[in-house]
Amino acid sequence: GAGVSQSPRYKVAKRGQDVALRCDPISGHVSLFWYQQALGQGPEFLTYFQNEAQLDKSGLPSDRFFAERPEGSVSTLKIQRTQQEDSAVYLCASSRTGGNYGYTFGSGTRLTVV
Amino acid sequence: SQQGEEDPQALSIQEGENATMNCSYKTSINNLQWYRQNSGRGLVHLILIRSNEREKHSGRLRVTLDTSKKSSSLLITASRAADTASYFCATDHSGTYKYIFGTGTRLKVLA
Repeated sequence: GAGVSQSPRYKVAKRGQDVALRCDPISGHVSLFWYQQALGQGPEFLTYFQNEAQLDKSGLPSDRFFAERPEGSVSTLKIQRTQQEDSAVYLCASSRTGGNYGYTFGSGTRLTVV
Repeated sequence: SQQGEEDPQALSIQEGENATMNCSYKTSINNLQWYRQNSGRGLVHLILIRSNEREKHSGRLRVTLDTSKKSSSLLITASRAADTASYFCATDHSGTYKYIFGTGTRLKVLA
């Protein structure tokens, strides 16, 4: 597609609920990144995929967070047993290579845990 | 953790004036990027400057990089109300694919 598409745009979850956030990268982009952005802060790295391989998941805050990209295109970020501190905007970005030409970001999913 | 820090945190100027934002970082880098984020939206890539470059231009944007001071600046000339946004610098973490973003400068351009 023309850009990176994320869905849903907004998600309200009750504490303890599981959520799944979807990212459709630009077709042909090898690299895919997930970032978490708290209100008033810069994005913080969560995880990185090169094709279907998850090469770095060092930024995932806990084992409740899980990401996958099984066919090397669409990616899903899953958060189990959501907590209030998980409330943030989750941004997905893709790039042709490792990001040395800049990322293309999606508009993000705003997650609110109540 | 965030590697970069932008300065100032917030900036308010009149339309037509120039806006300068600074970014400092901690580790060695291969390149540094600047992004813009409008309220409630994703980030838009503005410009990338490599570690062996000192200055780069793109339209009304001018970016400088001083690797000896581990700092960069973004200058927006002849600002417009549409430039109102948050601006972030991002550096590749020790030369890897992982980009670390700063805390951002919130720019407000008054018409």
